[in-house]
Amino acid sequence: NAGVTQTPKFQVLKTGQSMTLQCAQDMNHEYMSWYRQDPGMGLRLIHYSVGAGITDQGEVPNGYNVSRSTTEDFPLRLLSAAPSQTSVYFCASSYYGSPNTGELFFGEGSRLTVL
Amino acid sequence: AQSVAQPEDQVNVAEGNPLTVKCTYSVSGNPYLFWYVQYPNRGLQFLLKYITGDNLVKGSYGFEAEFNKSQTSFHLKKPSALVSDSALYFCAVRDKAGGGNKLTFGTGTQLKVEL
Repeated sequence: NAGVTQTPKFQVLKTGQSMTLQCAQDMNHEYMSWYRQDPGMGLRLIHYSVGAGITDQGEVPNGYNVSRSTTEDFPLRLLSAAPSQTSVYFCASSYYGSPNTGELFFGEGSRLTVL
Repeated sequence: AQSVAQPEDQVNVAEGNPLTVKCTYSVSGNPYLFWYVQYPNRGLQFLLKYITGDNLVKGSYGFEAEFNKSQTSFHLKKPSALVSDSALYFCAVRDKAGGGNKLTFGTGTQLKVEL
C-alpha cells in the first residue's frame, strides 16, 4: 500500500520563486492536512481540508495556498518563497470523525530550502 | 486555544530500564490525546491515543500512556526500553469540541536508549 505520497522529497528554491508540493493518498481519507516541522517548534498546521472542495487555514497559513479538487490530492503551493519557509513539510491524512479521530497517516516529508 | 508542553528536549535511558516521556496539555474542554513517533528522515507514526474510558492506554511496540485529568498530563511509558526505541516522540492534543482532526503537537522529545 502506498499510503501518503509526497513529492518532491528535496527542493532548493531561490527567494521569490514559486513551487507546488504534491500530496496524494490512496486510503480514501476525507481529511488531509499540511504541517511544517522546524527545530524546537514541533509541527505546525498550515492548511487542512475535510473533503473535496473544502479547505481551511491552520496556525501558519501565510505564504501558502491549497486546493482540494479530488479526495486523493492536496497540493501545497508556495506563492513567493522566502528563507523563512525553509523547513520540512509533511502531508497527513485520516478518516474524519470517530472512531479514528486523530490517527493521522503521514507522508515521508519534503525538505525545502529557500536561498 | 489548545496547547501541549513536552518539558524535556531529550531523555536518556539504559536498555532494559523503564522509560517515561512527559507531556502536559491545555484545552478548553475534554481532550483527545495522542503520541506519535518519528524515526530519522521519516514521517510521524501513530503510537496510541486516549479518547475516553480507562486512563491507562496501551499502544504499539509495548508503549503505554497514562491520562491524568487532575494534573493535565499524558506521559508515555514503557517498562523495558530497547535501543530500537530511540527516536523523536511527539505528544498531541485535540479538543473534543473542535472540528476536524486539527491536532496541536508538542515540540518533541528525543529519546536515546543506550546499551
